[in-house]
Amino acid sequence: AQKITQTQPGMFVQEKEAVTLDCTYDTSDQSYGLFWYKQPSSGEMIFLIYQGSYDEQNATEGRYSLNFQKARKSANLVISASQLGDSAMYFCAMRAFMIKAAGNKLTFGGGTRVLVKP
Amino acid sequence: DGGITQSPKYLFRKEGQNVTLSCEQNLNHDAMYWYRQDPGQGLRLIYYSQIVNDFQKGDIAEGYSVSREKKESFPLTVTSAQKNPTAFYLCASSETGSTNEKLFFGSGTQLSVL
Repeated sequence: AQKITQTQPGMFVQEKEAVTLDCTYDTSDQSYGLFWYKQPSSGEMIFLIYQGSYDEQNATEGRYSLNFQKARKSANLVISASQLGDSAMYFCAMRAFMIKAAGNKLTFGGGTRVLVKP
Repeated sequence: DGGITQSPKYLFRKEGQNVTLSCEQNLNHDAMYWYRQDPGQGLRLIYYSQIVNDFQKGDIAEGYSVSREKKESFPLTVTSAQKNPTAFYLCASSETGSTNEKLFFGSGTQLSVL
């Protein structure tokens, strides 16, 4: 079974500062993928960044970077130079490399709410 | 523009009534998914389909049913057997359902019980 834990229910961050959102995961699979999504108040889920378990380098996408520590089973999201539009819920998710017949579902954590202060 | 369309945005259900949530995608994706989100919580998988005329139960399928008669459509029916249906429902799709593919999401349907 897979489990994703996000221990920070909510955070404040000053505009233009960086913020780190924690994510730890538990899986017995050796091959898996980790995702971060952003959910603004409008409700849609916006993909931010992906990290494969065998990727040697940490993923980066613009102002988003993923601090992947495989031995510690953590995949923290770093948002640099926070903007007011970054205020939203952020979800960490994982998908294991199972055989296709068993499905490839995405398991989500409980989320972290980020509020950016001007 | 390609994307996923969910309708309606808001839906109200009377006790004992079945209601159907619509999800249509024009991304030509093979895999489609339904997730439920309760307030302040993460998403939980209800059903998913990796190909037309085939679907599998997710973690919380009881009280729900789906069909996948067309590639672009994956409607979700919330039956009267679902005793606590009030939640935000999100439909998603991905190209093939492979592990490194991101999911594309619709804008969601908020279901409430009258």
